[in-house]
Amino acid sequence: QITLKESGPTLVKPTQTLTLTCTFSGFSLSTSGVGVGWIRQPPGKALEWLALIYWNDDKRYSPSLKSRLTITKDTSKNQVVLTMTNMDPVDTATYYCAHYDRDGRTRWGQGTLVTVSS
Amino acid sequence: DIQMTQSPSSLSASVGDRVTITCRASQGISNYLAWFQQKPGKAPKSLIYAASSLQSGVPSKFSGSGSGTDFTLTISSLQPEDFATYYCQQYNSYPWTFGQGTKVEIK
Repeated sequence: QITLKESGPTLVKPTQTLTLTCTFSGFSLSTSGVGVGWIRQPPGKALEWLALIYWNDDKRYSPSLKSRLTITKDTSKNQVVLTMTNMDPVDTATYYCAHYDRDGRTRWGQGTLVTVSS
Repeated sequence: DIQMTQSPSSLSASVGDRVTITCRASQGISNYLAWFQQKPGKAPKSLIYAASSLQSGVPSKFSGSGSGTDFTLTISSLQPEDFATYYCQQYNSYPWTFGQGTKVEIK
């Protein structure tokens, strides 16, 4: 059974860097075709795709946020980490991580709410 | 970026109704389309991948169709647990993009 869980701070100050960790089980990020990505959702708004890392360390980013995002993986720890620099109140959102297989199936984590406020 | 446009943005329907939601891509995406269901305060749940394949454990009342630019999600007989917001998402090219959502409410 595939499970994913996001962790990180619930409150960050403007200009700070956010670091979120996705800890997963039930699959290996060294398996061909597998990817783990991040998606966010501001309160009351739609989903927004942020970044994705594949088993071969190929990384993809949203162009509008690329300068602020870094995604990395630690296969031995079954973790994927997303960092977002220069946080602003508009970045307040629930952040989800998700598993993708080579056929296009998606499995979601439960999400973590991050509030940006001084 | 590929724009995904869902219609309608919201709809009211009764239990037992057949409901269809449309998703249109701004350019062709073959069948690289997924559908998700989200209830308030919960994470999205995957329903459909590859435009028409049912994710494991999803009831067969949900079905997807389409290819290229036009796609539909159909719920054959709406039940109380189906009232939620539905999103489409393309994964044909980066950045992956979502539709704005369709809220299905009780009439």
